[in-house]
Parts: sequence; C-alpha cells; structure tokens
Amino acid sequence: TAGITQAPTSQILAAGRSMTLRCTQDMRHNAMYWYRQDLGLGLRLIHYSNTAGTTGKGEVPDGYSVSRANTDDFPLTLASAVPSQTSVYFCASSERGFTDTQYFGPGTRLTVL
Amino acid sequence: ILNVEQSPQSLHVQEGDSTNFTCSFPSSNFYALHWYRWETAKSPEALFVMTLNGDEKKKGRISATLNTKEGYSYLYIKGSQPEDSATYLCALPDSSNTGKLIFGQGTTLQVKP
Repeated sequence: TAGITQAPTSQILAAGRSMTLRCTQDMRHNAMYWYRQDLGLGLRLIHYSNTAGTTGKGEVPDGYSVSRANTDDFPLTLASAVPSQTSVYFCASSERGFTDTQYFGPGTRLTVL
Repeated sequence: ILNVEQSPQSLHVQEGDSTNFTCSFPSSNFYALHWYRWETAKSPEALFVMTLNGDEKKKGRISATLNTKEGYSYLYIKGSQPEDSATYLCALPDSSNTGKLIFGQGTTLQVKP
C-alpha cells in the first residue's frame, strides 16, 4: 500500500508563477490536510477537508486554495507564488475523528525565488 | 486558535540517559492529545493518541502520560539511543467535530553515542 504520495518532491518556482502540489491517498480516508513546515514554527495547517466535496481554512490559508473532487486527491494550488511561501509542504489524511491518527506524505520542498 | 506549547525546545543527552519533555495545553475543552515522532528528512509518524485523564501509553522504551485537569502530557524515553534522535510533536484537535490538529513546535532530541 502506497499510503500518501505527494508530487513533486521538490520544486523551484519563480515569484508570480502558479503551481499545484499534488497529494493522493489510497487508504479511503475521509479527511485530508495540508501543512507547511517552517523553521521555528512547526507544522501549521493551511487547509483541510473533512470529506470529499468540502474544504475548510486552517491557520495560514492566505495565498493557497484547495479542492476535494474525490476521496483520494487533495491538490494545493498557489495562484501567484511569493517568496514567503518557500517551505516544506506536507499532506496528511485521517479517518476524520479527533482521535484518529494522521498519516503524512513524504513532503514537497518548494522554493520561491 | 488553541495554544499548544512544548518544552524544552531542544535537548541533548548521552546514549543510555533517560529523558522526558512536556506538552502543555488549555485544560478546558480537551478532546484528545496526539504524540508524533519526526525524524529529519522523513514524515511525522504517530506514537500515541491519548484521551482520558490519567492515561498512560507505552511503546517500547517510549511512554506518555496525560493530565487533562492541569493541561499537560509528558513523554518519557528510557535509555535513549541514537536512533531516538528526532523531533517529538504533540498535537490537539481544536474541536470535537473534525480531526483538525493544532501542533506544538516540537522538542528536538539529539542522542549522542
């Protein structure tokens, strides 16, 4: 079982360009999440989805959008990248409940120049 | 937003030492507490999910306790080994309606051989 996959592994992007980070899970989990990891700030939630067709904002949603057209995929889009969006992005999934473990993907390292 | 604090921020111990660190959280509206282990260049992996006051969980040399009345959880590592070197994160759901977690900044443990 693959679990959660993310693509690309890493990317260098020019400021102002758009990009979509892909996330796919094969565990049929209801909920999916996008986090960014920044030095000294830990993991911060960008957006989440409790179930296919619904999405919600996390702690740091500005500059990002998500969609959840089906159970398996949860892409994160940067419409017009800025250098402050340089970070490592982790996708995660869980059954949904507050006692359910979140399973994380391998991460995407994004550098915006 | 829920305030989750971890201390210390970093810790250096010798192989064989036992160690512990703390996760603090508001004692009101407690739902669950998650502990994750995060090795460098890897994804966070779940250690424990704790829900009841007085809960104690154990996995090998790692154990955790929970005090929901005073708002803290301790993670203990007995006889630290170099492979225990990682960042240990605690996280709490901000409501009972979703699995959306708020993470602390983590405690980074370095075990010297």
